[in-house]
Amino acid sequence: TQLLEQSPQFLSIQEGENLTVYCNSSSVFSSLQWYRQEPGEGPVLLVTVVTGGEVKKLKRLTFQFGDARKDSSLHITAAQTGDTGLYLCAGITGANNLFFGTGTRLTVIP
Amino acid sequence: DAGITQSPRHKVTETGTPVTLRCHQTENHRYMYWYRQDPGHGLRLIHYSYGVKDTDKGEVSDGYSVSRSKTEDFLLTLESATSSQTSVYFCAISPRGLAGGLTDTQYFGPGTRLTVL
Repeated sequence: TQLLEQSPQFLSIQEGENLTVYCNSSSVFSSLQWYRQEPGEGPVLLVTVVTGGEVKKLKRLTFQFGDARKDSSLHITAAQTGDTGLYLCAGITGANNLFFGTGTRLTVIP
Repeated sequence: DAGITQSPRHKVTETGTPVTLRCHQTENHRYMYWYRQDPGHGLRLIHYSYGVKDTDKGEVSDGYSVSRSKTEDFLLTLESATSSQTSVYFCAISPRGLAGGLTDTQYFGPGTRLTVL
């Protein structure tokens, strides 16, 4: 059983388009992170959200933590080819257990 | 980039043989982690360490053991490798760990691709 489900699993879009990736769970998390991973490398942290309803922006990327702290979304505006990669969410429960999501593989076509 | 290296980067072995993967850090971080990454499962925590000789189990610890005799090195051992342990293994480090929420940053190594035939 996967604690954190991401959707879509695969996404292929044209450069300049907008997209949203979702990270959903039935569990409550005390905080949640988003990572990006490129082929042959380890994940790199993009952002941490800790408060229900929190919204954080990182240039063209907008991250939101759900009010109930069970879900999160990543929105990319005007996607660029450099955004291509595997996006992973990760949440920590109140018992300090860490879980990663299943991942969304994004391809931005020039 | 955080100073984390993993060795070997690629390994092919046969079922039943012992395998040890090494993670080495130059950041003097207290916490070190071993994950495996498989399609459809994301990253899953195998074991982690919160200090020299202090380790604990993660989500998928069966069939794996770890050791940490020095701050900079964290070893992952498969005592008798099985085909189900074919995966990409990542080491990560962090200064403060998981306690108190995931406000700490984990820095990941480049990974080790292990194939068990």
